[in-house]
Amino acid sequence: ETGVTQTPRHLVMGMTNKKSLKCEQHLGHNAMYWYKQSAKKPLELMFVYNFKEQTENNSVPSRFSPECPNSSHLFLHLHTLQPEDSALYLCASSQGRLAGASTRYNEQFFGPGTRLTVL
Amino acid sequence: SQQGEEDPQALSIQEGENATMNCSYKTSINNLQWYRQNSGRGLVHLILIRSNEREKHSGRLRVTLDTSKKSSSLLITASRAADTASYFCATNQGNQGGKLIFGQGTELSVKP
Repeated sequence: ETGVTQTPRHLVMGMTNKKSLKCEQHLGHNAMYWYKQSAKKPLELMFVYNFKEQTENNSVPSRFSPECPNSSHLFLHLHTLQPEDSALYLCASSQGRLAGASTRYNEQFFGPGTRLTVL
Repeated sequence: SQQGEEDPQALSIQEGENATMNCSYKTSINNLQWYRQNSGRGLVHLILIRSNEREKHSGRLRVTLDTSKKSSSLLITASRAADTASYFCATNQGNQGGKLIFGQGTELSVKP
């Protein structure tokens, strides 16, 4: 157990569906991340939230919409996805950094992932 | 361009042997981290080495960092079947906060 949970663990959806992925961390961290892992590709960073503010959007299509209501929870809302969006979606958290603070050494703690299949 | 590139992409060894995986990167870093992933699961942090460190140990793991060559290696000694997993290096550039750039990983298979 890494202290990061993700639900659901598996999700099958049609291209017209709307669904949400949920991530929760119990580590007192202030930074949270969404990654996409497709077969034979490196992990792709999608979004970063630091103290509830989005600090990174890695050119992710608008059919993926993140939400971070507080430092412990992170959502990824999905709508009108394409079959090529099928992948393992991983959430991670780390300590995070306040503006102006010195760089923090930042190991990331990952959840088990949601295996998404888009039909 | 991809920051961390692992070599080899796949490695198959017998139990008891040592496994060495290499990682190269392109830009200056704040630290470099190694992660392990069992099939279809989340990643588990193994070890972090800072840019001013050259070698670090954790149990059967030994990590080296050569900033002049922009490369790192992960050595697993006396491997076990349970070490079978994918191993990823990830680099953190100090001016980008917590952002990590992952390589494609090395698939390690340890045969009993």
